[in-house]
Amino acid sequence: ETGVTQSPTHLIKTRGQQVTLRCSSQSGHNTVSWYQQALGQGPQFIFQYYREEENGRGNFPPRFSGLQFPNYSSELNVNALELDDSALYLCASSQTGPNEQFFGPGTRLTVL
Amino acid sequence: KNEVEQSPQNLTAQEGEFITINCSYSVGISALHWLQQHPGGGIVSLFMLSSGKKKHGRLIATINIQEKHSSLHITASHPRDSAVYICAVSLMETSGSRLTFGEGTQLTVNP
Repeated sequence: ETGVTQSPTHLIKTRGQQVTLRCSSQSGHNTVSWYQQALGQGPQFIFQYYREEENGRGNFPPRFSGLQFPNYSSELNVNALELDDSALYLCASSQTGPNEQFFGPGTRLTVL
Repeated sequence: KNEVEQSPQNLTAQEGEFITINCSYSVGISALHWLQQHPGGGIVSLFMLSSGKKKHGRLIATINIQEKHSSLHITASHPRDSAVYICAVSLMETSGSRLTFGEGTQLTVNP
């Protein structure tokens, strides 16, 4: 059974650029959630995808967007990067409902 | 006020000590999760519980639904237990899949 993977591990961008982060779900999971974790804080929910449709969104602007593919892998896209977007981005896969979530290792994004 | 509050924020212990981390929440939940995060970022799920008590090795998690409170206990602590421990809840109003997190407790166990 393959765990949750994310790419890239680290990324450095400049303000105004666009970035795409990728997540490969654990086998058999149909739901993927994305979280942003600023340094020293708990993760914040960005959005969730279930069967390729957005299934809930946190308090993030529209420049944060996502996709889920038929194989349940997922992308997080961030346009017009701002300095405050610097954070660890985590994805987690699960079965839908209040089930255990399995986290990827995260992508650390630095915006200069 | 955050929907999920943890205490303490930081905890330093000597090897062998019994450790307790507390979590209180103010919303309706379908489940509560205890997670462990090591330096570098990876998060591991330790427990998911909706009632009572669960035990895995030296770790014990309890939840009191009426009081909206949960505790994570570590018996015979060891330096390898040093990590950030995070309490998170699955909100009942969102069908349970998304998590709302506490700020985490940084645990350091000294040899």
